[in-house]
Amino acid sequence: GNSVTQMEGPVTLSEEAFLTINCTYTATGYPSLFWYVQYPGEGLQLLLKATKADDKGSNKGFEATYRKETTSFHLEKGSVQVSDSAVYFCAQAGGGNKLTFGTGTQLKVEL
Amino acid sequence: NAGVTQTPKFQVLKTGQSMTLQCAQDMNHEYMSWYRQDPGMGLRLIHYSVGAGITDQGEVPNGYNVSRSTTEDFPLRLLSAAPSQTSVYFCASSYSGTRSTGELFFGEGSRLTVL
Repeated sequence: GNSVTQMEGPVTLSEEAFLTINCTYTATGYPSLFWYVQYPGEGLQLLLKATKADDKGSNKGFEATYRKETTSFHLEKGSVQVSDSAVYFCAQAGGGNKLTFGTGTQLKVEL
Repeated sequence: NAGVTQTPKFQVLKTGQSMTLQCAQDMNHEYMSWYRQDPGMGLRLIHYSVGAGITDQGEVPNGYNVSRSTTEDFPLRLLSAAPSQTSVYFCASSYSGTRSTGELFFGEGSRLTVL
């Protein structure tokens, strides 16, 4: 079945460091892919998405490119801030509006 | 806009007790769903609904009931709580069909502890 695999956390970085969170998926066809972010004590909110191969989603300095050759959708940011500390979830669209989520990666950014 | 509102935010139950987690949305979304979030397991779909009067099971439906009598509300019922149902529960909604963008809108979550 469809699944999403993301790198284990927590990831701890210093402010202004480069961030990569790996995400790979298994699916039949080419599903839409998403990154959601969960700040402490809050629900998930959409960070970015890509709907077809080679699309690049971007928002708030974060980027991810839909790579069908490697079935990946890695999240990157050039310079993280303390305010980016959160849990990041990779997800793929299933049938209808259903999403399949990865296990989440906690990011801690320190001064 | 209020968005997706869940109540209660926190609840402690004893094994065997019943309760209902409430979810309401004011965005006129057709699709509503319930997920549970557990450490190391991400979010797993419990039940979902594509419109009033229509519900279906997700990945982990056992021990939970839902109904959808209105577009706005989608309550989740635990008939006989078990410690394995200790989790954080999220309600999420979205447009469906031709209005769908794939984005889910989440509530702030309900943390349930079953002793």
